[in-house]
Amino acid sequence: QSALTQPAFVSGSPGQSITISCTGTSSDVGAYNYVSWYQQHPGETPKLMISEVTNRPSGVSNRFSGSKSGNTASLTISGLQVEDEADYYCSSYTSISTWVFGGGTKLTVL
Amino acid sequence: QVQLVQSGAEVKKPGASVKLSCKAPGYTFTGHHIHWVRQAPGQGLEWVGIINPNGDSTTYVRDFQGRVTMTRDTSSSTVYMELRSLRSEDTAVYYCARAHSGSLDYWGQGTLVTVSS
Repeated sequence: QSALTQPAFVSGSPGQSITISCTGTSSDVGAYNYVSWYQQHPGETPKLMISEVTNRPSGVSNRFSGSKSGNTASLTISGLQVEDEADYYCSSYTSISTWVFGGGTKLTVL
Repeated sequence: QVQLVQSGAEVKKPGASVKLSCKAPGYTFTGHHIHWVRQAPGQGLEWVGIINPNGDSTTYVRDFQGRVTMTRDTSSSTVYMELRSLRSEDTAVYYCARAHSGSLDYWGQGTLVTVSS
């Protein structure tokens, strides 16, 4: 099972919106609504930001939203803030009952 | 309060084995599967496998099959991951995380495993 494809780097200015894509196949992202997104600051443990494509866990800012179209899922962060600068990873359940992560996207807030 | 508490850092020689633990107090242990994920230095997250504490069924990623075994002890609400035939490429932080609705909702603090001669 190959890793999901994410852009390596994304950047934006405070207040702007950015979108991070996560492209898989019809055997993972395209087949199930079990796509999730994780935020990881340097030296810290990953934090769940979005589950089941669009669901925001309690405590996660509503500036974070998720969507999916076909084999590509997306994470959108609106009203970008300095503290959003981090690495972001997508993950999906797969047709062989495993999970797979994306390669990660480094978000820089300029 | 959901917490996953992992064992301490390990240093191993190539060819050795390591057994990591992940204690999960604070919720119904048998109610959620537990994932294991690793992250090599400066690299991304890599899914290793999953165990169902209620019955002991496991699924491992193909790359680790034959080298990894996940087990659980319901009496102590602890899951274990043993990785054998260690090589330098296995140097990483290993995380356990609770499964919920297809996601990993709570993560342990991570265990650094260093493989070096």
